[in-house]
Amino acid sequence: DQQVKQNSPSLSVQEGRISILNCDYTNSMFDYFLWYKKYPAEGPTFLISISSIKDKNEDGRFTVFLNKSAKHLSLHIVPSQPGDSAVYFCAASVSGTSYGKLTFGQGTILTVHP
Amino acid sequence: DVKVTQSSRYLVKRTGEKVFLECVQDMDHENMFWYRQDPGLGLRLIYFSYDVKMKEKGDIPEGYSVSREKKERFSLILESASTNQTSMYLCASSYETAYNEQFFGPGTRLTVL
Repeated sequence: DQQVKQNSPSLSVQEGRISILNCDYTNSMFDYFLWYKKYPAEGPTFLISISSIKDKNEDGRFTVFLNKSAKHLSLHIVPSQPGDSAVYFCAASVSGTSYGKLTFGQGTILTVHP
Repeated sequence: DVKVTQSSRYLVKRTGEKVFLECVQDMDHENMFWYRQDPGLGLRLIYFSYDVKMKEKGDIPEGYSVSREKKERFSLILESASTNQTSMYLCASSYETAYNEQFFGPGTRLTVL
């Protein structure tokens, strides 16, 4: 049972435009959400996170939105740059329990064209 | 600077061989994790450890075992490698806090022939 789903395997965007990556979850116990970025032949690196007490968190060009009632989060990248081309994973956890276990989505391949 | 290292970037083994993947972190993290990444399946948790000599099964532990004899080192063992274990293996570590960002190593691309 896939508790965290990224339904778009890939996304293609023009440089300078907005990239929107989506993620849905089914487990209502999840209360902390993270986005990771992964380049080929490298490990994932942490990008941004959000706690369920918030509905928005911003860090430079990256903003994560959380809609708890819909069990949906999204990552907005504005403006998109060619260096943003990577695989993006969303992840969810139940804070304070389970030894920090994260449940990951399948990933979305973002391609930003110059 | 945070550092998680994995013993090999690329590994080729034969079916039936015993395979050891090593991971070392220098951040004094309590928690360590082993994942495999496959296209379309994302990152799937194989095993994790929350303390020395302590281990817990993840979502796909079959065919794997782990060892954590020292806090900084977490090993993944394939007792008898099979072709369906060809994958990218990623190690991660984290502090034992309420909000847990995991730090990943560069990964080991394992091919089993």
